Amino acid sequence: GENVEQHPSTLSVQEGDSAVIKCTYSDSASNYFPWYKQELGKRPQLIIDIRSNVGEKKDQRIAVTLNKTAKHFSLHITETQPEDSAVYFCAASKGSASKIIFGSGTRLSIRP
Amino acid sequence: EAQVTQNPRYLITVTGKKLTVTCSQNMNHEYMSWYRQDPGLGLRQIYYSMNVEVTDKGDVPEGYKVSRKEKRNFPLILESPSPNQTSLYFCASSFLTGANVLTFGAGSRLTVL
Repeated sequence: GENVEQHPSTLSVQEGDSAVIKCTYSDSASNYFPWYKQELGKRPQLIIDIRSNVGEKKDQRIAVTLNKTAKHFSLHITETQPEDSAVYFCAASKGSASKIIFGSGTRLSIRP
Repeated sequence: EAQVTQNPRYLITVTGKKLTVTCSQNMNHEYMSWYRQDPGLGLRQIYYSMNVEVTDKGDVPEGYKVSRKEKRNFPLILESPSPNQTSLYFCASSFLTGANVLTFGAGSRLTVL
């Protein structure tokens, strides 16, 4: 069945350094790839998303890249700050089908 | 304020005692969905609904029921809860389909003894 694999499961980086989280998906018909951030005890919230007609999208310190051929997409956070500490989830969806598959999550810790 | 509201936020119950977790959104969203979150497994979709009277199974529907009689409400029903349904549950909604920004509720932590 459809699957989204996310790596790494935990990531610790020095404040100010960059963090990269990678996801691969199995269904080549997937065309929407959101990233959600979940702070401790809070609900997931969208931080950035990308659709299959673009290869990269940026929003300040956050960027997402998509490689449709390889079926993988990545989240890049530059100049990390303490408030970036959270669990990050990737997801994949086919627009009309509306079934959304989430990755297993990455716990990002920022070391001061 | 645009929001998704879930109730109860916390519940401890016993095996076999039917319970309902309510979910309501005030954004006139067509799409609504339920997820369970378990350590190491991420968010797994239980059921989703594209509109009133239209529901479909997600990846882990066993032991759950849903209904969508009104656009704003999407309750999750556990007819006979079992301990393996102990989890954190999230309701979410989005405009038109699942391929849009999901707005999540605050979550409902359920413990089945």
